[in-house]
Amino acid sequence: QKEVEQDPGPLSVPEGAIVSLNCTYSNSAFQYFMWYRQYSRKGPELLMYTYSSGNKEDGRFTAQVDKSSKYISLFIRDSQPSDSATYLCAMSASGSARQLTFGSGTQLTVLP
Amino acid sequence: DAGVIQSPRHEVTEMGQEVTLRCKPISGHNSLFWYRQTMMRGLELLIYFNNNVPIDDSGMPEDRFSAKMPNASFSTLKIQPSEPRDSAVYFCASSLDLGGKGHHEQYFGPGTRLTVT
Repeated sequence: QKEVEQDPGPLSVPEGAIVSLNCTYSNSAFQYFMWYRQYSRKGPELLMYTYSSGNKEDGRFTAQVDKSSKYISLFIRDSQPSDSATYLCAMSASGSARQLTFGSGTQLTVLP
Repeated sequence: DAGVIQSPRHEVTEMGQEVTLRCKPISGHNSLFWYRQTMMRGLELLIYFNNNVPIDDSGMPEDRFSAKMPNASFSTLKIQPSEPRDSAVYFCASSLDLGGKGHHEQYFGPGTRLTVT
């Protein structure tokens, strides 16, 4: 079993839809949770970062962490075609933030 | 401010040839990471350096792979001899690691798309 499991997708939604992307993990030591966005033929870029449990909102994006269930989510409200990309979750344990464990990524397409 | 620079962007080579991938991290960053991304395996960490010293190379798949960081502004990943199964996108990333707890954002380069025929 992988340390981080991510819903495989691909996911296709109409413009304006609410998108939910999810990851589960098995390592209870993980404390830092990130979402990276990767456009086609580009490197990943950090989108959201959350420490420990709780929610974090940034514009149309909301990241949620439920450590009791070992489950993290990224919600995208009012999705736009420009949100079409692969979304990778990533996480690390406290004190070893220099190393990230990535999910396999979910490919999202927002149709105009 | 330039981001992480990688070269070449694309490389096509024949099996058995030596391949050298290059990376220039963001100025001032002290940690550098090499990743490999494939459809089957996703993004895998190969090796990371801190202050030019290799800290963890457990992700390097086999002895055909080697990485160096002779100074703070340059790193190479070499594959010798290359094989078709090495075909992938190779990313370099850098970060500023001040030690201790806390997240250190990694900034990725555009990647090198390697095809070994």
